[in-house]
Amino acid sequence: DIVMTQSPDSLAVSLGERATINCKSSQSVLYSSNNKNYLAWYQQKPGQPPKVLIYWASTRASGVPDRFSGSGSGTDFTLTISSLQGEDVAVYYCQQYYSSPQTFGQGTKLEIK
Amino acid sequence: EVQLVESGGGLVPPGGSLRLSCAASGFTFSNYAMSWVRQAPGKGLEWVSAISGSGDSSYYADSVKGRFTISRDNSKNTLYLQMNSLRAEDTAVYYCAKYMDLSLYYFDYWGQGTLVTVSS
Repeated sequence: DIVMTQSPDSLAVSLGERATINCKSSQSVLYSSNNKNYLAWYQQKPGQPPKVLIYWASTRASGVPDRFSGSGSGTDFTLTISSLQGEDVAVYYCQQYYSSPQTFGQGTKLEIK
Repeated sequence: EVQLVESGGGLVPPGGSLRLSCAASGFTFSNYAMSWVRQAPGKGLEWVSAISGSGDSSYYADSVKGRFTISRDNSKNTLYLQMNSLRAEDTAVYYCAKYMDLSLYYFDYWGQGTLVTVSS
């Protein structure tokens, strides 16, 4: 199984500041035949199901504010929130769908400083 | 509007069985692969099982293989998860999740979840 490791486990950022969450996979999730990274990011607010933010490592899902962006390739990925808003308080998960079983990172809890 | 509504959760003793259902609406159900993902209390997300759009192919996490069975009724737009030989470690919120298409890639919609508690 591919192990997904996120860092940090928790993060406190001031409103309006940048938040960066990292995700590392134990093996590459880049499929060479189509040059796509099989990685998604989800946001889960308290008491709610997860919501997809980013797929193919850098494609923003419909309706997701452009302050959210994804980057990286191969084994190292980053979710960036360019200017933190109060409604961004949540736990963020990365997920690889390169191989079965699909696996998630352990989550990063984002709070307001 | 896509809606996924889970039901069937509850309290069950170790070794017991439970069947979860997920009623889908707002999209052509048979055109999408579907999945169950669980989240133990205070923990992260764990993929449990997936099924193709036609229902011909199914996939399981090692932790549930041989105990859980995923199925779907495309005429009723409903996804199921039959859970047998339940263990304490199966206690979790179980989410029904829709894949972005027939491929088992990322999830574009999730239900609100149903809580399964395995305890005597």
